Amino acid sequence: NAGVTQTPKFQVLKTGQSMTLQCAQDMNHNSMYWYRQDPGMGLRLIYYSASEGTTDKGEVPNGYNVSRLNKREFSLRLESAAPSQTSVYFCASTPGENSPLHFGNGTRLTVT
Amino acid sequence: AQSVAQPEDQVNVAEGNPLTVKCTYSVSGNPYLFWYVQYPNRGLQFLLKYITGDNLVKGSYGFEAEFNKSQTSFHLKKPSALVSDSALYFCAVRDIDSSYKLIFGSGTRLLVRP
Repeated sequence: NAGVTQTPKFQVLKTGQSMTLQCAQDMNHNSMYWYRQDPGMGLRLIYYSASEGTTDKGEVPNGYNVSRLNKREFSLRLESAAPSQTSVYFCASTPGENSPLHFGNGTRLTVT
Repeated sequence: AQSVAQPEDQVNVAEGNPLTVKCTYSVSGNPYLFWYVQYPNRGLQFLLKYITGDNLVKGSYGFEAEFNKSQTSFHLKKPSALVSDSALYFCAVRDIDSSYKLIFGSGTRLLVRP
């Protein structure tokens, strides 16, 4: 079982560049999430998609956009990267509310 | 607003000794609580959850957590620590305003020494 797959694993960007983080899950889960993890701050929700066709802002959405391409895929786009977006990004999925989240292994992004 | 606090950045324990990782929460209504573990360079893995029922919840890898409503706590425990338990542990609470969202604590690093 692949579970939740994130690509790329590592990325270095220059300020102002754009990129898309990809996420796919093969568990037929309805809900998908993007979190960022920063030292001492735990995980903060960027965007989530409760079901295919819907997306909603989380705690820290500024500077990001998302696309729920289909039930399997949920991408995160940085249109103009900033050093403050240096972080580890995690995608997660769940079959429904109150069910545990299943996480990918993360994308480590550095913006210089 | 809902929140969860992990008051200890790091917990040190000797192998074979019991361990406790603390978590307190602040929510209106009944809390739905979770514990996750993160090993280096990996995503978080689910350990256990409390939705309703018994205050002592058993989870993966021999971990358990005790829900205490009067103290608004949900501490993670294990009777006998292993070196392989060394990892980063996160407590989380479901957001009352949106049941699809979890609010995470800042994490506690557990270090089990041989």
